[in-house]
Amino acid sequence: EVQLLESGGGLVQRGGSLRLSCAASGFIFRNYAMSWVRQAPGKGLEWVSSLSGSGVSTYYAESVKGRVTISRDNSKNTLYLQMNSLRADDTAVYYCAKISAAAGIDYWGQGTLVTVSS
Amino acid sequence: SYELTQPPSVSVSPGQTARITCSGNAFPKQYAYWYQQKPGQAPVLVIYKDTERPSGIPERFSGSSSGTTVTLTISGVQAEDEADYYCQSADSSGTHYVFGAGTKVTVL
Repeated sequence: EVQLLESGGGLVQRGGSLRLSCAASGFIFRNYAMSWVRQAPGKGLEWVSSLSGSGVSTYYAESVKGRVTISRDNSKNTLYLQMNSLRADDTAVYYCAKISAAAGIDYWGQGTLVTVSS
Repeated sequence: SYELTQPPSVSVSPGQTARITCSGNAFPKQYAYWYQQKPGQAPVLVIYKDTERPSGIPERFSGSSSGTTVTLTISGVQAEDEADYYCQSADSSGTHYVFGAGTKVTVL
């Protein structure tokens, strides 16, 4: 059974930093690209970032480019999102998601809430 | 940049058919994916590659595509189908994803 468990969310001041983690199990982690998708309170889904199974290729939404870094440790089956220079509009639930070449984003974690206070 | 346009809401009586459209210039070059999200829960994939249904998703969920518009159809709607539904696609390179704003399906 595929499981994605996010952690690292919390309350942070504007301009601060936070690192999110996503522990994956139930599939061969290194074989799959992964993504972070966020959802602001009461709003829709917003894609944040993706990276390839090897971790070599990374992609970012314009809204976070230059402020966040996606990475992975395939030896630990863990995905990361380092977020810097946080702003109030970064407040959201951040979901870790598995990408299947055949089926798109086929599994989602339960999310971790990031709240940026001003 | 790519944008996907969905109606904000759709209302349907139990047993009837709900159709949710998603329009954008990503189509038909890129595939469409549909996700169901119930309050307080993570999204669930219900349709991938325009028309394919993942295992475990009821047959009443189907997808179709015509030009720059894709459609999610829920036939014989049940109370448990009340949720937000999001379409998703990608840019021309397939590396940057985009979501529609979501459609709230209300079962009357």
